[in-house]
Amino acid sequence: SQQGEEDPQALSIQEGENATMNCSYKTSINNLQWYRQNSGRGLVHLILIRSNEREKHSGRLRVTLDTSKKSSSLLITASRAADTASYFCATYFGNEKLTFGTGTRLTIIP
Amino acid sequence: EADIYQTPRYLVIGTGKKITLECSQTMGHDKMYWYQQDPGMELHLIHYSYGVNSTEKGDLSSESTVSRIRTEHFPLTLESARPSHTSQYLCASSRMGLAGGDTQYFGPGTRLTVL
Repeated sequence: SQQGEEDPQALSIQEGENATMNCSYKTSINNLQWYRQNSGRGLVHLILIRSNEREKHSGRLRVTLDTSKKSSSLLITASRAADTASYFCATYFGNEKLTFGTGTRLTIIP
Repeated sequence: EADIYQTPRYLVIGTGKKITLECSQTMGHDKMYWYQQDPGMELHLIHYSYGVNSTEKGDLSSESTVSRIRTEHFPLTLESARPSHTSQYLCASSRMGLAGGDTQYFGPGTRLTVL
């Protein structure tokens, strides 16, 4: 079974609104990363949050990590059409391999 | 844009053919990975390498093989392609850093269709 699961599986919002997606995982981690994948393309790294961090910002992105609940959330503020993509969380838990979640497909409606 | 390249981008071949998917990176990264991803689904690690002459199998069993003769090059080979191999194959690399995981840089992927 996969380490990470994103919720919701799909999300459609109006341009300008905020988008929130969640990731839950099963075992203790060293860090958690978020990636974006545009349709038919490779993944692009967005942000990394370490297990001793609770919140991190990068531009319009805000990531939180709650290790007690084994969960993370990614918030994209003031969404744009170009944010339409799939978003994956990925975790390292000591075996030197990233394990990817199931992804959230985000659609921004102009 | 990451300096990691995959060729071909799209490949349609018949059953039984031997194929090699190419992956090269110019970032000097020691670690390289191959993932398999069906449309709209999660990524599954099929092979990885810590450096030259190092290859390991990933979490998802695959009939493909890999080699790592040069740091920058990590090709994946299927000796006899079958329709079940139809998928997108993503190559990635990362530097050999401290334990705890580093950012992975992905190529654009190869979409393979076996008829």
